Amino acid sequence: GAGVSQSPSNKVTEKGKDVELRCDPISGHTALYWYRQSLGQGLEFLIYFQGNSAPDKSGLPSDRFSAERTGGSVSTLTIQRTQQEDSAVYLCASSLVNRNTEAFFGQGTRLTVV
Amino acid sequence: GQQVMQIPQYQHVQEGEDFTTYCNSSTTLSNIQWYKQRPGGHPVFLIQLVKSGEVKKQKRLTFQFGEAKKNSSLHITATQTTDVGTYFCAGGATGRRALTFGSGTRLQVQP
Repeated sequence: GAGVSQSPSNKVTEKGKDVELRCDPISGHTALYWYRQSLGQGLEFLIYFQGNSAPDKSGLPSDRFSAERTGGSVSTLTIQRTQQEDSAVYLCASSLVNRNTEAFFGQGTRLTVV
Repeated sequence: GQQVMQIPQYQHVQEGEDFTTYCNSSTTLSNIQWYKQRPGGHPVFLIQLVKSGEVKKQKRLTFQFGEAKKNSSLHITATQTTDVGTYFCAGGATGRRALTFGSGTRLQVQP
């Protein structure tokens, strides 16, 4: 595709429900990142996929968060038993090779937990 | 863990004034990238620096990578209202495969 696509663009969920956020990276990009951005704040690293290597999960804030990347392309970030503090914009980015190549960001998914 | 800090957190300038944001890492970086995020938008890549002491320019923007590869700066000459946004540095740190983003500097330009 032309760019990184994320869906949904907005998600409102009730506390305690599970949510799935989707990221379609740029075709051919082997690296994929998930970041979280709270209002007016910086980018908090969540997880990194690169090729066939084991993902770097060191940024996941709790075991309620998980992510997978199927077939080296589409990625899904799952948040179980959502809490109000999970409310944020979740940004996905892809890069051709790794951290040494430009990262292209999607528009993000704005998650609101009520 | 590895941290990348930016100062200042926020700066308000009059149009035409210069602006500088500084990025400091607790560890040596293999590379540094700079991104700009407009209000309501997503981060967009500006540039990458790799070599110690490297300086690159893009029109009114000047980027520097420190000799020790632990700090970087972005300087904007004669700011314009189109420069409004948050500027992030992002580094490749030893021991971490992913890009680590700095805390960001929000620039407001008064016309």
